[in-house]
Amino acid sequence: NAGVMQNPRHLVRRRGQEARLRCSPMKGHSHVYWYRQLPEEGLKFMVYLQKENIIDESGMPKERFSAEFPKEGPSILRIQQVVRGDSAAYFCASSPPGGRVTFFGQGTRLTVV
Amino acid sequence: QQQVKQSPQSLIVQKGGIPIINCAYENTAFDYFPWYQQFPGKGPALLIAIRPDVSEKKEGRFTISFNKSAKQFSLHIMDSQPGDSATYFCAASMMSGTASKLTFGTGTRLQVTL
Repeated sequence: NAGVMQNPRHLVRRRGQEARLRCSPMKGHSHVYWYRQLPEEGLKFMVYLQKENIIDESGMPKERFSAEFPKEGPSILRIQQVVRGDSAAYFCASSPPGGRVTFFGQGTRLTVV
Repeated sequence: QQQVKQSPQSLIVQKGGIPIINCAYENTAFDYFPWYQQFPGKGPALLIAIRPDVSEKKEGRFTISFNKSAKQFSLHIMDSQPGDSATYFCAASMMSGTASKLTFGTGTRLQVTL
């Protein structure tokens, strides 16, 4: 049973470009969460999604950030017009419906140059 | 507003010692308290978790102590080993519908020396 799969593991983007981060949850998990970890800091909740629905996006920046979890395929976190301050590790996590245990992927480390 | 406060920020212990990491929370609606271990370049891995109706939980060398009235909980690592050197995060969550959104502490960087 594969864990939470994220790709790419490392992503370098120039300022103004778009970054697309992908996440496939664990088998049987229908809940996907995205967290951001800035250097030397803890993880901050960004968004929670179920298939085709954004349930809670209270942690998402109001502009340039969007997330989706389509009926088919992985969840995508999209950052448009990236800026240096977007450089961080982005972690995807998943849990089963009603489950408390949350499993994390290995993360995508975004560097904006 | 930081809802989960974690201390210390860093900790150095000798092999065999018992590092203790403390966390305090504010929101009494939290009802699930996991600890995660993170190695450099890796994702957080669940170590152990506790619910507030239990005062202590042990899994192997890891023990959580929970004080509901004080809204505090702590992680103890017995007989610590150099391989335990990592960053440890406490977290708290509550159910929101069918989701369990985690609020993390700021992390403790543990170094276990020989």
